[in-house]
Amino acid sequence: AQKVTQAQTEISVVEKEDVTLDCVYETRDTTYYLFWYKQPPSGELVFLIRRNSFDEQNEISGRYSWNFQKSTSSFNFTITASQVVDSAVYFCALSGWSGNTPLVFGKGTRLSVIA
Amino acid sequence: DGGITQSPKYLFRKEGQNVTLSCEQNLNHDAMYWYRQDPGQGLRLIYYSQIVNDFQKGDIAEGYSVSREKKESFPLTVTSAQKNPTAFYLCATQDRTPYNEQFFGPGTRLTVL
Repeated sequence: AQKVTQAQTEISVVEKEDVTLDCVYETRDTTYYLFWYKQPPSGELVFLIRRNSFDEQNEISGRYSWNFQKSTSSFNFTITASQVVDSAVYFCALSGWSGNTPLVFGKGTRLSVIA
Repeated sequence: DGGITQSPKYLFRKEGQNVTLSCEQNLNHDAMYWYRQDPGQGLRLIYYSQIVNDFQKGDIAEGYSVSREKKESFPLTVTSAQKNPTAFYLCATQDRTPYNEQFFGPGTRLTVL
């Protein structure tokens, strides 16, 4: 069975601080996808990034960066110089390799960035 | 504009009533999903459909029903058998590309009075 654990339920930081959101996953598959989504107060989930199990290179997109480590089954997300607009619930998710398979979501981490 | 629409945004129902939540997409995606979100619970899968006229139960299907008569539409009915239906419901689609990411609608917040 697949499982995603986001141990941090809520995090509060002051604006401009860096913050890392942790994600640990379990799967017996050798090939799989990992995802991060953002859910702002409006409620709609916004896709942020996809990573496949073959690619352990870190990725940076502006203030966002992702660290995928297969050896520790982790896919952590860092926001650099956080802003108030980053306040949201962030979900990590996992899926199998086959097309059109369900995603398994973690319970989410609520990030509050205080001005 | 391409996208996923869910209606209504807010829905109120009395106990014992069935209610249907709408989900429509014009992205031409094959697969569609329904999730339920409760505070602190993350997203839980209710039903999904990978192709027209076929659907599978998710983790919490009891008290819900769906249909998939058209590729564009995947309505969810919350029946009176669902004991605690007050929640936020999210519909998602998924394309048959190699990447599997899902795209979400704006959600419907259902409150049982």
